[in-house]
Amino acid sequence: DQQVKQNSPSLSVQEGRISILNCDYTNSMFDYFLWYKKYPAEGPTFLISISSIKDKNEDGRFTVFLNKSAKHLSLHIVPSQPGDSAVYFCAASAKGGTSYGKLTFGQGTILTVHP
Amino acid sequence: DGGITQSPKYLFRKEGQNVTLSCEQNLNHDAMYWYRQDPGQGLRLIYYSQIVNDFQKGDIAEGYSVSREKKESFPLTVTSAQKNPTAFYLCASSKRSTGSGGELFFGEGSRLTVL
Repeated sequence: DQQVKQNSPSLSVQEGRISILNCDYTNSMFDYFLWYKKYPAEGPTFLISISSIKDKNEDGRFTVFLNKSAKHLSLHIVPSQPGDSAVYFCAASAKGGTSYGKLTFGQGTILTVHP
Repeated sequence: DGGITQSPKYLFRKEGQNVTLSCEQNLNHDAMYWYRQDPGQGLRLIYYSQIVNDFQKGDIAEGYSVSREKKESFPLTVTSAQKNPTAFYLCASSKRSTGSGGELFFGEGSRLTVL
């Protein structure tokens, strides 16, 4: 049972344009969401997070939007740069229930930004 | 520099052999995790530990074992009972349990190949 889903395996955008990566979740106990970026043969690095009490969090070129009613979040990168090319993972955690104490990850989306 | 060190980076194993992957952190983090990455499946949780001398099974614990005798160390043993052990293994730690919104810090990973 995939509780966190990233339905787009890959995304290709032009440098300078906006990249939008999507993530859906099914567990209503999830209350904290994170995005990680991963280069090949390296560990993921934290990018940005959002608590369920907010609907938007911004950090430089990166903005995460949360729509709790739709159980959907998205990561916007503006403007996109070639160095942003990586795999992006969405992750979620819960304060209680069976998901307490661990992060559940989506399958990842490969972002390619063309010069 | 503070961080998470995984070793070895690459490991080859013959079928039927147990192998142990090392994970050490000097971040003074309480919680530690082991994830496995397979193509198209994102990161799946194997085991996690929120305090010393205590650990819990994740979503795919069968064929694996762990110990947490010291705060800094969380070794993972891949046993011969693991049917498909070839994968990229990632160790992570967090200041507190991710159940309360803690961010994970990852090591660089260990790639295990079964010959």
